Amino acid sequence: QLQLQESGPGLVKPSETLSLNCTVSGGSISSSNYYWGWIRQPPGKGLEWIGSIYYNGGIYYNPSLKSRVTISVDTSKNQFSLKLSSVTAADTAVYYCARLGRGIAARPSWFDPWGQGTLVTVSS
Amino acid sequence: EIVMTQSPATLSVSPGERATLSCRASQSVSSNLAWYQQKPGQAPRLLIYGASTRATGIPARFSGSGSGTEFTLTISSLQSEDFAVYYCQQYNDWWTFGQGTKVEIK
Repeated sequence: QLQLQESGPGLVKPSETLSLNCTVSGGSISSSNYYWGWIRQPPGKGLEWIGSIYYNGGIYYNPSLKSRVTISVDTSKNQFSLKLSSVTAADTAVYYCARLGRGIAARPSWFDPWGQGTLVTVSS
Repeated sequence: EIVMTQSPATLSVSPGERATLSCRASQSVSSNLAWYQQKPGQAPRLLIYGASTRATGIPARFSGSGSGTEFTLTISSLQSEDFAVYYCQQYNDWWTFGQGTKVEIK
């Protein structure tokens, strides 16, 4: 059964860079032709897609975050990573990683399964 | 960006009753729509994709319908474990979520 687990600091100072990893178990990140993504949820609010990556480097970023986001894949560790620079209090959220299901014509589509999420607080 | 609008924001329903949740897209997303359930402190769980296909392990009381800009999630007979927040998400053009509908006990 495929499982995803987020890891990284729970507290980041304003103007610094948020860094998270998502470790995939129960399947290979590079052998299954799926996209992998990051989604966040501010406390008490809704969900926002951050970006998605394919194991060979194909990437999509949310245009509203594109200037600050970097997503990468490390196939040797079976994980993918998120970096968000110049963070502010508005970036405080639970950050989730997920696999994207393959829809029509194998396009990356819905998110399933999800990691349990990790809360990142931006504060000095 | 395609904006997804869910209604109502909160739905009060008694156990055993039917719940009908709506999701509207600002432009057509064809059938490229998913629904998720989220309980407090948990990650979202995929319920429906392709507007009407239940994900693996999802009970038959959950059903989805619609295409284009108007979509509906129906829970035919609410069970205690169904009280949660529900989100729709389009994947026709990038990926965007609705703001959620909270289904609470009446």
